[in-house]
Amino acid sequence: DAGVIQSPRHEVTEMGQEVTLRCKPISGHDYLFWYRQTMMRGLELLIYFNNNVPIDDSGMPEDRFSAKMPNASFSTLKIQPSEPRDSAVYFCASSPLRVTGELFFGEGSRLTVL
Amino acid sequence: GIQVEQSPPDLILQEGANSTLRCNFSDSVNNLQWFHQNPWGQLINLFYIPSGTKQNGRLSATTVATERYSLLYISSSQTTDSGVYFCAGKAAGNKLTFGGGTRVLVKP
Repeated sequence: DAGVIQSPRHEVTEMGQEVTLRCKPISGHDYLFWYRQTMMRGLELLIYFNNNVPIDDSGMPEDRFSAKMPNASFSTLKIQPSEPRDSAVYFCASSPLRVTGELFFGEGSRLTVL
Repeated sequence: GIQVEQSPPDLILQEGANSTLRCNFSDSVNNLQWFHQNPWGQLINLFYIPSGTKQNGRLSATTVATERYSLLYISSSQTTDSGVYFCAGKAAGNKLTFGGGTRVLVKP
């Protein structure tokens, strides 16, 4: 399997612009997670889906952030409007349905908001 | 959620040395994982180990669930072992929580 695929790998944008990050989970994995990593806060869980349904979005920082999973092979994380404090590496991860719950991460999307 | 604490925060090793990284968690866990973040930022799954001992090459891990800690052993360290090692734990009904990481630098 190709693993979790994220795009873009790098994004530089200006404050106020809309940012869309994309993720393709590992085929057959029923759980999908979005994490954010910063120096100050480490790895934070933003939201996760089970069978395409959002289960817990309590980590989403504010209304400017939204995430969707229209089908089992695709998810987006959108920030609108973006702010400099959103600069971070955003990771998508997936996990199989089975009890183990092992996480497999994508390579991340590094976002810089100027 | 649970609290996950890792020690030491930083570790400098000479190539060939052995080391032990520790992860303490505040509650009983049913899921405990170790990850390595390499210098390029990739997060690699090392072990899923809610209890017991596992080995993979020069790396091994032991979780003592009753005492709420896990250890990651690196033997005969190599420069490619450099990076940040994270443990993450999950108690029943809660989210997977990451520790702050141990930053490892292996010098040639």
